[in-house]
Amino acid sequence: NAGVTQTPKFQVLKTGQSMTLQCAQDMNHEYMSWYRQDPGMGLRLIHYSVGAGITDQGEVPNGYNVSRSTTEDFPLRLLSAAPSQTSVYFCASSYRQRANSPLHFGNGTRLTVT
Amino acid sequence: KNQVEQSPQSLIILEGKNCTLQCNYTVSPFSNLRWYKQDTGRGPVSLTIMTFSENTKSNGRYTATLDADTKQSSLHITASQLSDSASYICVVSANSNYQLIWGAGTKLIIKP
Repeated sequence: NAGVTQTPKFQVLKTGQSMTLQCAQDMNHEYMSWYRQDPGMGLRLIHYSVGAGITDQGEVPNGYNVSRSTTEDFPLRLLSAAPSQTSVYFCASSYRQRANSPLHFGNGTRLTVT
Repeated sequence: KNQVEQSPQSLIILEGKNCTLQCNYTVSPFSNLRWYKQDTGRGPVSLTIMTFSENTKSNGRYTATLDADTKQSSLHITASQLSDSASYICVVSANSNYQLIWGAGTKLIIKP
């Protein structure tokens, strides 16, 4: 099992460019989510999905779009990159959106916007 | 406001020593508390999940405690190893909407 796979590992964008961060899981998890991690702060939820075709906003959704056409994939799109979006992005999945379901994380995408 | 605070921010100990990391939270209604380990350049990995009724839970050399009355948790690491060098993150789940409130983490460095 590969678990949660994120690509790319590193990305540099210019302000205004768009891109898609890829996330795939092979554990047949219903719940998938995107977080950003910034220095000195806890992880912040961007968007999440409780199943194929269902997505919802998290704490910091502005500037990001998601879709969930299959159980396995949950891409995150940056529409028009801004320097404030410089961060490390993590995709995470769990069996269900349940209180006792541990999250399984990918190894992150480090994004720099200049 | 739901918050999770961890202390210390960073900690350096010698290999073989024990240490305890602290987590205080103001989350209501409480569902469970989790500890994650995050190695540099990697995603967090779950260590434990504790519900309201659990006071202590162990995972190898890691022992987590929970005092729901004082809203405090601790993570005790016994006989530390170099591989324990990582950030340790406390996360509290709010019962109402499965919201997870993340602490900023404690960065632990083990020196040989």
